[in-house]
Amino acid sequence: AQSVTQLDSHVSVSEGTPVLLRCNYSSSYSPSLFWYVQHPNKGLQLLLKYTSAATLVKGINGFEAEFKKSETSFHLTKPSAHMSDAAEYFCVVNTRGSRLTFGEGTQLTVNP
Amino acid sequence: NAGVMQNPRHLVRRRGQEARLRCSPMKGHSHVYWYRQLPEEGLKFMVYLQKENIIDESGMPKERFSAEFPKEGPSILRIQQVVRGDSAAYFCASSLDTFENYGYTFGSGTRLTVV
Repeated sequence: AQSVTQLDSHVSVSEGTPVLLRCNYSSSYSPSLFWYVQHPNKGLQLLLKYTSAATLVKGINGFEAEFKKSETSFHLTKPSAHMSDAAEYFCVVNTRGSRLTFGEGTQLTVNP
Repeated sequence: NAGVMQNPRHLVRRRGQEARLRCSPMKGHSHVYWYRQLPEEGLKFMVYLQKENIIDESGMPKERFSAEFPKEGPSILRIQQVVRGDSAAYFCASSLDTFENYGYTFGSGTRLTVV
Protein backbone atom coordinates (compact mmCIF):
# COMPACT_ATOMS: atom_id res chain seq x y z
CA ALA A 1 0.00 0.00 0.00
CA GLN A 2 1.13 3.52 -0.70
CA SER A 3 1.04 6.24 1.95
CA VAL A 4 2.57 9.56 2.91
CA THR A 5 3.60 10.91 6.29
CA GLN A 6 3.94 14.59 6.93
CA LEU A 7 6.43 14.93 9.72
CA ASP A 8 5.24 18.25 11.14
CA SER A 9 1.66 19.21 11.85
CA HIS A 10 2.63 22.88 12.36
CA VAL A 11 5.52 24.93 11.02
CA SER A 12 6.10 28.56 11.90
CA VAL A 13 8.58 30.80 10.05
CA SER A 14 9.30 34.48 9.79
CA GLU A 15 8.58 36.37 6.60
CA GLY A 16 11.60 36.28 4.31
CA THR A 17 13.09 33.10 5.82
CA PRO A 18 13.17 29.67 4.15
CA VAL A 19 10.31 27.21 4.34
CA LEU A 20 10.77 23.45 4.71
CA LEU A 21 7.75 21.14 4.91
CA ARG A 22 8.70 17.50 5.27
CA CYS A 23 7.05 14.49 3.70
CA ASN A 24 8.05 10.84 3.60
CA TYR A 25 6.33 8.31 1.42
CA SER A 26 5.91 4.58 1.41
CA SER A 27 5.48 2.84 -1.90
CA SER A 28 6.08 -0.54 -3.43
CA TYR A 29 6.88 1.07 -6.77
CA SER A 30 7.77 4.46 -8.18
CA PRO A 31 5.02 6.76 -7.02
CA SER A 32 3.48 9.93 -8.37
CA LEU A 33 3.72 12.56 -5.64
CA PHE A 34 2.09 15.95 -5.26
CA TRP A 35 1.90 18.94 -2.99
CA TYR A 36 -1.41 20.76 -2.63
CA VAL A 37 -2.13 23.97 -0.73
CA GLN A 38 -5.41 24.84 0.98
CA HIS A 39 -6.14 28.36 2.12
CA PRO A 40 -8.81 28.81 4.81
CA ASN A 41 -12.28 27.86 3.59
CA LYS A 42 -11.01 27.44 0.08
CA GLY A 43 -10.47 24.51 -2.26
CA LEU A 44 -7.20 22.80 -2.99
CA GLN A 45 -4.64 24.14 -5.38
CA LEU A 46 -1.94 22.00 -6.96
CA LEU A 47 1.52 23.39 -6.18
CA LEU A 48 3.62 20.82 -8.00
CA LYS A 49 3.84 17.16 -9.01
CA TYR A 50 6.49 14.52 -9.47
CA THR A 51 5.87 11.81 -12.05
CA SER A 52 9.29 10.14 -12.47
CA ALA A 53 10.88 12.76 -14.71
CA ALA A 54 13.29 15.24 -13.08
CA THR A 55 13.77 14.65 -9.36
CA LEU A 56 13.75 18.38 -8.60
CA VAL A 57 10.31 19.70 -9.33
CA LYS A 58 9.50 23.38 -9.56
CA GLY A 59 6.00 24.53 -8.79
CA ILE A 60 4.01 27.70 -8.55
CA ASN A 61 4.69 30.65 -6.23
CA GLY A 62 8.38 29.81 -5.88
CA PHE A 63 7.90 26.39 -4.29
CA GLU A 64 9.91 23.36 -5.24
CA ALA A 65 10.31 19.80 -4.03
CA GLU A 66 12.98 17.16 -4.45
CA PHE A 67 12.21 13.48 -4.84
CA LYS A 68 14.84 11.42 -2.98
CA LYS A 69 14.33 7.73 -3.49
CA SER A 70 17.10 6.71 -1.10
CA GLU A 71 15.41 8.65 1.70
CA THR A 72 11.83 8.06 0.51
CA SER A 73 11.25 11.77 0.92
CA PHE A 74 9.55 14.55 -1.03
CA HIS A 75 10.11 17.68 1.02
CA LEU A 76 8.65 21.02 -0.04
CA THR A 77 10.83 24.12 0.11
CA LYS A 78 10.75 27.80 -0.65
CA PRO A 79 13.70 30.16 -0.24
CA SER A 80 11.77 33.09 1.20
CA ALA A 81 8.37 32.95 2.85
CA HIS A 82 5.64 35.50 2.15
CA MET A 83 2.70 36.27 4.38
CA SER A 84 0.41 34.96 1.64
CA ASP A 85 2.02 31.50 1.99
CA ALA A 86 0.23 30.94 5.30
CA ALA A 87 -2.04 27.97 4.63
CA GLU A 88 -2.32 24.22 5.06
CA TYR A 89 -0.13 22.06 2.85
CA PHE A 90 -0.81 18.47 1.90
CA CYS A 91 1.62 15.90 0.58
CA VAL A 92 -0.26 13.47 -1.66
CA VAL A 93 0.49 10.19 -3.42
CA ASN A 94 -1.39 8.67 -6.32
CA THR A 95 -2.38 5.21 -5.18
CA ARG A 96 -4.37 2.78 -7.22
CA GLY A 97 -6.03 3.99 -10.34
CA SER A 98 -7.28 7.52 -9.99
CA ARG A 99 -7.31 7.61 -6.23
CA LEU A 100 -5.20 10.05 -4.18
CA THR A 101 -4.01 9.45 -0.62
CA PHE A 102 -3.43 12.60 1.39
CA GLY A 103 -1.12 13.19 4.30
CA GLU A 104 -2.53 14.72 7.46
CA GLY A 105 -1.40 18.20 6.49
CA THR A 106 1.08 20.80 7.73
CA GLN A 107 -0.22 24.17 8.88
CA LEU A 108 2.27 26.87 7.86
CA THR A 109 2.26 30.11 9.84
CA VAL A 110 4.25 33.08 8.57
CA ASN A 111 5.12 35.70 11.14
CA PRO A 112 5.81 39.33 10.17
CA ASN B 1 -14.15 27.79 -18.06
CA ALA B 2 -15.87 28.06 -14.68
CA GLY B 3 -13.91 25.25 -13.02
CA VAL B 4 -15.45 22.65 -10.75
CA MET B 5 -18.55 24.12 -9.12
CA GLN B 6 -19.87 22.82 -5.84
CA ASN B 7 -23.02 23.93 -4.13
CA PRO B 8 -24.04 24.83 -1.64
CA ARG B 9 -20.83 26.19 -0.13
CA HIS B 10 -22.22 25.75 3.36
CA LEU B 11 -25.00 23.43 4.45
CA VAL B 12 -26.53 23.06 7.88
CA ARG B 13 -28.69 20.05 8.67
CA ARG B 14 -30.30 18.74 11.82
CA ARG B 15 -29.58 15.20 12.90
CA GLY B 16 -31.75 12.78 10.95
CA GLN B 17 -32.23 15.02 7.91
CA GLU B 18 -30.87 14.38 4.45
CA ALA B 19 -27.99 16.28 2.88
CA ARG B 20 -27.56 16.59 -0.88
CA LEU B 21 -24.30 17.96 -2.19
CA ARG B 22 -23.90 18.89 -5.83
CA CYS B 23 -20.87 18.96 -8.05
CA SER B 24 -20.76 20.29 -11.60
CA PRO B 25 -17.51 19.16 -13.25
CA MET B 26 -15.45 21.27 -15.60
CA LYS B 27 -16.80 21.43 -19.11
CA GLY B 28 -16.00 18.26 -20.99
CA HIS B 29 -14.94 16.31 -17.90
CA SER B 30 -16.63 12.95 -17.49
CA HIS B 31 -14.78 11.70 -14.41
CA VAL B 32 -15.81 12.87 -10.93
CA TYR B 33 -14.30 12.10 -7.53
CA TRP B 34 -15.57 12.87 -4.03
CA TYR B 35 -13.34 13.34 -1.00
CA ARG B 36 -14.19 14.09 2.62
CA GLN B 37 -12.12 16.18 4.99
CA LEU B 38 -12.91 15.74 8.66
CA PRO B 39 -11.80 18.51 11.05
CA GLU B 40 -8.03 18.62 11.52
CA GLU B 41 -7.47 15.82 9.01
CA GLY B 42 -6.41 15.35 5.41
CA LEU B 43 -8.79 14.46 2.63
CA LYS B 44 -10.03 10.90 2.35
CA PHE B 45 -11.19 9.34 -0.91
CA MET B 46 -14.85 8.38 -1.02
CA VAL B 47 -15.96 7.52 -4.54
CA TYR B 48 -15.00 7.77 -8.21
CA LEU B 49 -17.68 8.02 -10.86
CA GLN B 50 -17.93 8.32 -14.59
CA LYS B 51 -21.11 9.27 -16.37
CA GLU B 52 -23.84 6.93 -15.10
CA ASN B 53 -21.30 4.53 -13.56
CA ILE B 54 -19.66 4.08 -10.19
CA ILE B 55 -16.08 3.02 -10.80
CA ASP B 56 -14.70 2.81 -7.26
CA GLU B 57 -16.75 3.31 -4.11
CA SER B 58 -14.35 1.64 -1.72
CA GLY B 59 -14.09 4.78 0.41
CA MET B 60 -17.82 5.26 0.91
CA PRO B 61 -19.37 4.39 4.27
CA LYS B 62 -21.54 1.32 3.85
CA GLU B 63 -24.72 2.93 5.08
CA ARG B 64 -26.51 6.25 4.51
CA PHE B 65 -24.12 7.49 1.80
CA SER B 66 -24.71 7.27 -1.94
CA ALA B 67 -23.42 9.01 -5.04
CA GLU B 68 -24.52 9.36 -8.60
CA PHE B 69 -23.39 11.06 -11.77
CA PRO B 70 -26.27 11.03 -14.22
CA LYS B 71 -26.03 11.43 -17.95
CA GLU B 72 -27.35 14.97 -17.61
CA GLY B 73 -26.75 17.26 -14.67
CA PRO B 74 -24.35 17.41 -11.76
CA SER B 75 -22.98 14.65 -9.62
CA ILE B 76 -24.84 14.28 -6.33
CA LEU B 77 -23.48 13.03 -3.02
CA ARG B 78 -26.40 12.10 -0.79
CA ILE B 79 -26.21 11.52 2.93
CA GLN B 80 -29.34 10.18 4.58
CA GLN B 81 -30.18 10.55 8.26
CA VAL B 82 -27.15 12.70 8.97
CA VAL B 83 -25.32 12.43 12.29
CA ARG B 84 -22.90 14.84 13.96
CA GLY B 85 -19.95 12.77 12.76
CA ASP B 86 -20.86 13.62 9.16
CA SER B 87 -19.88 17.24 9.77
CA ALA B 88 -16.99 17.80 7.39
CA ALA B 89 -15.90 19.49 4.21
CA TYR B 90 -16.78 17.50 1.10
CA PHE B 91 -14.68 18.14 -1.97
CA CYS B 92 -15.39 17.16 -5.53
CA ALA B 93 -12.82 16.91 -8.30
CA SER B 94 -13.17 16.26 -12.00
CA SER B 95 -10.90 15.15 -14.81
CA LEU B 96 -11.01 14.85 -18.57
CA ASP B 97 -9.82 11.27 -18.50
CA THR B 98 -8.07 9.08 -15.96
CA PHE B 99 -5.96 10.78 -13.32
CA GLU B 100 -2.76 9.22 -14.57
CA ASN B 101 -3.12 11.02 -17.88
CA TYR B 102 -4.64 14.31 -16.89
CA GLY B 103 -4.65 14.90 -13.14
CA TYR B 104 -7.72 16.57 -11.78
CA THR B 105 -9.14 19.88 -10.53
CA PHE B 106 -10.80 20.33 -7.16
CA GLY B 107 -13.84 22.42 -6.36
CA SER B 108 -14.02 24.73 -3.35
CA GLY B 109 -15.97 22.24 -1.29
CA THR B 110 -19.23 22.05 0.63
CA ARG B 111 -18.96 22.46 4.36
CA LEU B 112 -21.62 20.40 6.06
CA THR B 113 -22.53 21.11 9.65
CA VAL B 114 -24.89 18.78 11.48
CA VAL B 115 -26.54 20.28 14.52
